[in-house]
Amino acid sequence: GAVVSQHPSRVICKSGTSVKIECRSLDFQATTMFWYRQFPKQSLMLMATSNEGSKATYEQGVEKDKFLINHASLTLSTLTVTSAHPEDSSFYICSARVWVAGDSSYNEQFFGPGTRLTVL
Amino acid sequence: DAKTTQPTSMDCAEGRAANLPCNHSTISGNEYVYWYRQIHSQGPQYIIHGLKNNETNEMASLIITEDRKSSTLILPHATLRDTAVYYCIVRAYNQGGKLIFGQGTELSVKP
Repeated sequence: GAVVSQHPSRVICKSGTSVKIECRSLDFQATTMFWYRQFPKQSLMLMATSNEGSKATYEQGVEKDKFLINHASLTLSTLTVTSAHPEDSSFYICSARVWVAGDSSYNEQFFGPGTRLTVL
Repeated sequence: DAKTTQPTSMDCAEGRAANLPCNHSTISGNEYVYWYRQIHSQGPQYIIHGLKNNETNEMASLIITEDRKSSTLILPHATLRDTAVYYCIVRAYNQGGKLIFGQGTELSVKP
């Protein structure tokens, strides 16, 4: 299957700082990327949908000014947690939707390994 | 809100078949059934998906009832490495539908 990477895999930061997480599709072009957040013992919660070259669409209740998403190319999306606080500590997972040239019906979605954010 | 209901947890003996049920009684005609699994502290892994016919791949089989209101994921010979949370998701295939995760089933494969 297609490979999605995330960097860093884990990060610890002080309260008030900003943290950037990168999501890359390594062997395919992803027109759409998704960002999820997962708290311990809970399911994944979709935060936002990011289309290459356009503004991200945020789910209800997700602060767009706090979670900045940039999708500048077909292989890279970034999530920046601004002024992070301890309650932002979570497991952040990105996902990329595969776009296959010449096959508009192919629409599979693959996930990265996740980034563990701990805010002290 | 997730459109599926699954048992919270299940156990399975190593080497035996694991049958994971999922109810999706409000599924629409253009929605597929997807199964993903998440091993602890990793990203979800795609398993299989289907519309109305039964599907099989190298990982699992998917059995969808004729009325499409429920389905079963079958792992034919479960191993300890199959211990994970399994998510059943319904999504429109070609219309940009988002993958919305429910609570899933925590499968424990025991020796």
